[in-house]
Amino acid sequence: SAVISQKPSRDICQRGTSLTIQCQVDSQVTMMFWYRQQPGQSLTLIATANQGSEATYESGFVIDKFPISRPNLTFSTLTVSNMSPEDSSIYLCSGGQSDTQYFGPGTRLTVL
Amino acid sequence: GQQLNQSPQSMFIQEGEDVSMNCTSSSIFNTWLWYKQEPGEGPVLLIALYKAGELTSNGRLTAQFGITRKDSFLNISASIPSDVGIYFCAGQLPSGTYKYIFGTGTRLKVLA
Repeated sequence: SAVISQKPSRDICQRGTSLTIQCQVDSQVTMMFWYRQQPGQSLTLIATANQGSEATYESGFVIDKFPISRPNLTFSTLTVSNMSPEDSSIYLCSGGQSDTQYFGPGTRLTVL
Repeated sequence: GQQLNQSPQSMFIQEGEDVSMNCTSSSIFNTWLWYKQEPGEGPVLLIALYKAGELTSNGRLTAQFGITRKDSFLNISASIPSDVGIYFCAGQLPSGTYKYIFGTGTRLKVLA
């Protein structure tokens, strides 16, 4: 298994600003992903964080809005850029090997 | 984004009752994962299934990988109050990308 931590756990931000969320895994993992979740709703995949290369984004998500870095096998960041109230959500990082994945506790973002 | 059909959407049951929920799709999956999510937390992995027809248990939880590879089932026996939460299935697409698609969730409430 893998233990995943995220920082910050929550934040309240102003419209037009950007927030970077950090994800740290306690062991090397092959795969890391970023999801978005509205409270009480399902998880929507934003992108696959690729180590040492550009992330692979899902339909509806673009690099300019959600730049992602993954410099090594245990760490990744997601930036939510030029935020609007519609970006208010829970952002979740996951990591694991090819056949499973574990989740961090999430970052609860509110944009005013 | 793409989601799996999960049913029922919500359940209210008495403590001690058994619970059944399922996920169905028109697509074939390589792996099925079942998660439980409590308020303010990230999803916690409960059971992983890797072969069509596989039946796996974890304490009072039992899950099965459908033989068509298009569905999966989760059963909880003798429910207790701490079983309360949202249960999600996740299917891994056979695309080589190792991505998972999440179900719509089953919200479980247990009445003591």
